[in-house]
Amino acid sequence: GQNIDQPTEMTATEGAIVQINCTYQTSGFNGLFWYQQHAGEAPTFLSYNVLDGLEEKGRFSSFLSRSKGYSYLLLKELQMKDSASYLCAVRLMEYGNKLVFGAGTILRVKS
Amino acid sequence: DADVTQTPRNRITKTGKRIMLECSQTKGHDRMYWYRQDPGLGLRLIYYSFDVKDINKGEISDGYSVSRQAQAKFSLSLESAIPNQTALYFCATSDSGQLDNEQFFGPGTRLTVL
Repeated sequence: GQNIDQPTEMTATEGAIVQINCTYQTSGFNGLFWYQQHAGEAPTFLSYNVLDGLEEKGRFSSFLSRSKGYSYLLLKELQMKDSASYLCAVRLMEYGNKLVFGAGTILRVKS
Repeated sequence: DADVTQTPRNRITKTGKRIMLECSQTKGHDRMYWYRQDPGLGLRLIYYSFDVKDINKGEISDGYSVSRQAQAKFSLSLESAIPNQTALYFCATSDSGQLDNEQFFGPGTRLTVL
């Protein structure tokens, strides 16, 4: 079966750096996505990794190690508006490249 | 602005009723998806469609059906709603021509089955 694990909740301070980890055990890996979801709203795309290494986009970076089945999302210079749920999703080659989502990590940013 | 819209945004219904949730998109994407989201379980795929008339079951299709009569529209039906179908439902689209095949989500429909 497909298994994606992320911490349930994290708390960090405004201005700090936080790392949200995601580990996965899936067959037919074909890329990993990170989405941000504010409460009651739609998930919005943050980043995509298909090769090993770090992808940087402003305050957000995402890292992938395919051999370890591991990814992390790094958020720098945290702002209050970063309080949200962060979803890790793995794309599978089979089943038409569908996404399998982790349960999400709720990040609370405190002042 | 090219967008993904869902109707209704909120719905309360009773056990045994038939419910249809609608999804429309103006992005010109060929692929469309229906997910449900429950607390602590993340997003789970119900059905997906790669083109008009193409329908595929996801992880949790039992109790649901879908219709893709046009590229821009993908409807989800609950033939006889039951309380454990109470959830937040999201429609999503993607473009098979894009390398990363990012999915774009609609605003969601909050369904309560009493």
